[in-house]
Order: sequence, then structure tokens, then C-alpha cells
Amino acid sequence: SQQGEEDPQALSIQEGENATMNCSYKTSINNLQWYRQNSGRGLVHLILIRSNEREKHSGRLRVTLDTSKKSSSLLITASRAADTASYFCATVRSGSARQLTFGSGTQLTVLP
Amino acid sequence: DVKVTQSSRYLVKRTGEKVFLECVQDMDHENMFWYRQDPGLGLRLIYFSYDVKMKEKGDIPEGYSVSREKKERFSLILESASTNQTSMYLCASSARGGVTNEKLFFGSGTQLSVL
Repeated sequence: SQQGEEDPQALSIQEGENATMNCSYKTSINNLQWYRQNSGRGLVHLILIRSNEREKHSGRLRVTLDTSKKSSSLLITASRAADTASYFCATVRSGSARQLTFGSGTQLTVLP
Repeated sequence: DVKVTQSSRYLVKRTGEKVFLECVQDMDHENMFWYRQDPGLGLRLIYFSYDVKMKEKGDIPEGYSVSREKKERFSLILESASTNQTSMYLCASSARGGVTNEKLFFGSGTQLSVL
């Protein structure tokens, strides 16, 4: 069963704009991670936020986590055409330290 | 950088064939995983292994088996391939222990078509 669900399923923006993607999950988590996947390739880890953290930054990425709402958001600022990819959230369920459960992803298209 | 290598980028097999998907990682990671990815369904965990000769079922193990005889290699086996196993298969690995070690490193994927 899917633990994380991303919203929207697809997002198209102009270069230079900000892109925001959301993730909702169902059960208690240890941490939440965001991954990026270029078309036809494997996933690449972007950022990890722990359940006791509320916000984290990495370069142009900003992730927030609201455990009371069981939701997270990924903000990409000043987007570039090279940011075009699918973005997935993944959660480590409490008590399942080795298993990451992924959502179905948001397809981001950044138009030049 | 961690490298996770999957033996085939594309694979075409016939229904009923036995299929082996191989994955090798070069960073001495304890944990290895097999996922399949289908449009609209995201990634679903098939099996994972946290040590040599150890394996645990994921969310969709039916129709699959795995083998981990060496730490660096994790094989996914389709005993009798069926058309509903046509999918992108992704292998991943991670280091043992600790929350921050649960970051996964992925291979490039194997697109399997079963005809």
C-alpha cells in the first residue's frame, strides 16, 4: 500500500519560478525523504528530514514537515530547465527501520 | 560515490521464462532492496535483504524470489515470468543502522518486457 502520496501529480512552470510539491502520509514515521528521478533513470536522494525537525534547507531546496498533519512539502526556488524530473517522497515507518515506502510522484516540467 | 549497477538496462523475455535480474553495489552496504515501478503506482518494494543470506518480503513478493550469497550482490528472480511483471525494476542499497543511513542509493533500473 502507498504510504506517501504526492500532490500535484504534474506541475508545469516557467524557468525562474518556484515549484512546490506536497506529500501526505498515513502512519507515524521516523523520517521523510525526497528523491528525484530523471526520465528512465534511477532515483537520486535529495534531502532527509527527521520526524523531530520542522524545516530543512539544501541549496535551492526547502523541505518542511508537519507531523500533526502528516504532510511535507518540497520547495524548489528559482527553478531551471534541468530541474525537470519526477519527485518522490519516501517515508520510513516507525518500527520499519529498513523499509522506505514511496509515493507515486510529482512530474515537474520547467519550461525554458 | 556509491555505485549500484544493474546488469541489464533493457530485457525482453517470453512468458514462462525464468528471469534473473542482477544488482551489484560497491560501497559495502548491508541493506539491499528490489523495487518495481509502474506508472501511477510509484515504487513498490518487492524484497529486501539486510545481510548475506538474509531476506525479507516487501509489499509485493508474489511471483518473485531473491538471492544474496555475497554482500555486494542481490539478485531478483522471476521463476516463471508473466506479462503482468512487465515493469521497471530498481535496485537500491543503504548502509546499516541509524536514521540518516536510511538514504537509498539506486541503480539505473532494468526495463523488463514480458511478451
